[in-house]
Amino acid sequence: GESVGLHLPTLSVQEGDNSIINCAYSNSASDYFIWYKQESGKGPQFIIDIRSNMDKRQGQRVTVLLNKTVKHLSLQIAATQPGDSAVYFCAEKLTGSARQLTFGSGTQLTVLP
Amino acid sequence: DVKVTQSSRYLVKRTGEKVFLECVQDMDHENMFWYRQDPGLGLRLIYFSYDVKMKEKGDIPEGYSVSREKKERFSLILESASTNQTSMYLCASTLTRGGNQPQHFGDGTRLSIL
Repeated sequence: GESVGLHLPTLSVQEGDNSIINCAYSNSASDYFIWYKQESGKGPQFIIDIRSNMDKRQGQRVTVLLNKTVKHLSLQIAATQPGDSAVYFCAEKLTGSARQLTFGSGTQLTVLP
Repeated sequence: DVKVTQSSRYLVKRTGEKVFLECVQDMDHENMFWYRQDPGLGLRLIYFSYDVKMKEKGDIPEGYSVSREKKERFSLILESASTNQTSMYLCASTLTRGGNQPQHFGDGTRLSIL
């Protein structure tokens, strides 16, 4: 199957700064993308999603950007807080796929005091 | 909120044992999934089910089987556990089979095979 990759395995940011986590996907037929947050000892938690007919979607302190031209997805976290420290990974879904999602391996975000 | 509950957070078993991992969701979701999560490899799909008594293989089904006798419950079975099945196992569910929707995950079962 298609793979979803991340540019950086780790990211450290100062508390209060903005964080940007990147994801490259390889299948142009993917039509739906999700960002998950996984804290230590917990399961992945849904953050935000975006459909392929959109370029940008905003949530509470988070924004997802989709660039279909270069098959790139990013998650922006505004005013990063200590509670944002976690592994973040993206997932993509192929159009019409029953199995639904293919996941990247994740980026560890560490928020420094 | 959707609640996906995995019966055990930690489990230690011996090589050759038959192991059952249980998952229950409380939102009448049609689809349920079993993944394993290993460092550097991300989530890999083992099996999924889109209806009672229905199952489909994922990317790594070898050594595993599943059972879905009731809509809310999806069981993962290791027929004869081996050390390479030591991993974090995650269960997930979605409301319907088609469409664009996120999967909702349980908190995982960390399984160690000795």
